Amino acid sequence: GNSVTQMEGPVTLSEEAFLTINCTYTATGYPSLFWYVQYPGEGLQLLLKATKADDKGSNKGFEATYRKETTSFHLEKGSVQVSDSAVYFCARLNPLTGGGNKLTFGTGTQLKVEL
Amino acid sequence: DVKVTQSSRYLVKRTGEKVFLECVQDMDHENMFWYRQDPGLGLRLIYFSYDVKMKEKGDIPEGYSVSREKKERFSLILESASTNQTSMYLCASSIGTASSGNTIYFGEGSWLTVV
Repeated sequence: GNSVTQMEGPVTLSEEAFLTINCTYTATGYPSLFWYVQYPGEGLQLLLKATKADDKGSNKGFEATYRKETTSFHLEKGSVQVSDSAVYFCARLNPLTGGGNKLTFGTGTQLKVEL
Repeated sequence: DVKVTQSSRYLVKRTGEKVFLECVQDMDHENMFWYRQDPGLGLRLIYFSYDVKMKEKGDIPEGYSVSREKKERFSLILESASTNQTSMYLCASSIGTASSGNTIYFGEGSWLTVV
C-alpha cells in the first residue's frame, strides 16, 4: 500500500544540537509529502510540505527535501530549541476516489530538547 | 485562517454508551476526515466524507459510524463505546480538488476515555 515509515523515538537532544528525523515512503507515483508537528496537548499543525521531486520544504528553521532516488523526506534542523519539543509526523498524500486527498501518516517521532 | 473546531476536548464515557464527537469547519471544504491517534500507531483514518451525505470507510471503520448532513459539520458516532476506543480523535478538512498541493487542516483533538 501507500505507506510512510519514520524513525522511532523518542529522540532526546541538547539545545542547539542538529536534528534529523528519517522518513521514507513507498514508491507509488510521486505523492506530495508533509511533515506535521503536534505540540503537547494540541492537534496537528502543518510544518512543511513538498509536492514534487527535489522540492525543499522549509519553515521555522526546519527543512526537508523530497528525494525521489531514495524515496525519502528526512526532516532536519540545524539548531533545535526547547520549544521544538513535540511529536513529528511524516505523511504522504493519497488520492480519494471521489476527489480530494487523504493523508497517510507515519507512527510519529517524539522529540525532547533539553537545556 | 482555516478553523476546524472539535466541540469536546475531553470526554469520559461508560462502556456501552453512545458517543457523538462533533466537528465543524469554516472554510467550505468538501472533504472531511476522522482519524484516531494512538501511541506507536500514529494516526489512522476511520472515515472520510467528500460531500454532504457522502461517506467512505477509512482504514479502521469498525465500531464507528459518521454523519454529514451539512457541509460544515462531520460527526463521528460510537454506537456502543468500548474501552479499546479510548483514544485521541482528530477531525480534519480539505478542499475537494485532486490538486497535489492541497493542505489538510486539523482540529485540536478530542480525548475520549471509555471506562
